[in-house]
Amino acid sequence: KAGVTQTPRYLIKTRGQQVTLSCSPISGHRSVSWYQQTPGQGLQFLFEYFSETQRNKGNFPGRFSGRQFSNSRSEMNVSTLELGDSALYLCASSLSSPGGYSSGANVLTFGAGSRLTVL
Amino acid sequence: LAKTTQPISMDSYEGQEVNITCSHNNIATNDYITWYQQFPSQGPRFIIQGYKTKVTNEVASLFIPADRKSSTLSLPRVSLSDTAVYYCLVGEGNTDKLIFGTGTRLQVFP
Repeated sequence: KAGVTQTPRYLIKTRGQQVTLSCSPISGHRSVSWYQQTPGQGLQFLFEYFSETQRNKGNFPGRFSGRQFSNSRSEMNVSTLELGDSALYLCASSLSSPGGYSSGANVLTFGAGSRLTVL
Repeated sequence: LAKTTQPISMDSYEGQEVNITCSHNNIATNDYITWYQQFPSQGPRFIIQGYKTKVTNEVASLFIPADRKSSTLSLPRVSLSDTAVYYCLVGEGNTDKLIFGTGTRLQVFP
């Protein structure tokens, strides 16, 4: 079956602009979560959506937002870009919410990521 | 936020067993511990998951002590293709926020 698809794979923006990233989960997966990966901070959890509702949110400013559609596809948006937003943004899908006691249903399948460069 | 720490790097030779430990002293009571492997320019890939004691699958074993404040990923007989970065993932107690470990870069030499 098809994996998690993220678009675009690479993009370059300038400070102050905004960006929208897209994620198509594995068919049947209802949870989509987003992560930021940088050399300095490692992998950090941004937020998680399940059935179009944000279930959990990491410690990022309000410039970072997301949404999930009825077909489970998800988008994340970063407004007023800063140089420090340059990162690999990873999306992952799972059958159920990634946290908690779910006996394997919460295992994450990641996409290849969207690499954002802010100039 | 609680820190979930791992050794920064480890070196090994082909055929050896490698053990990578993750310290997660504020893990959520009801949360699983999951380990992922990441190659350059790819997203992390699931290796193994467990809640307590020991879990084994075809590629790795996971050892979790009774207090669950740490876990150890064991890779038997590593090969060159196991050169990658390994992350543990847990849910933080009280918040359920997902916390990745700091990552361990494993280099396997011939």
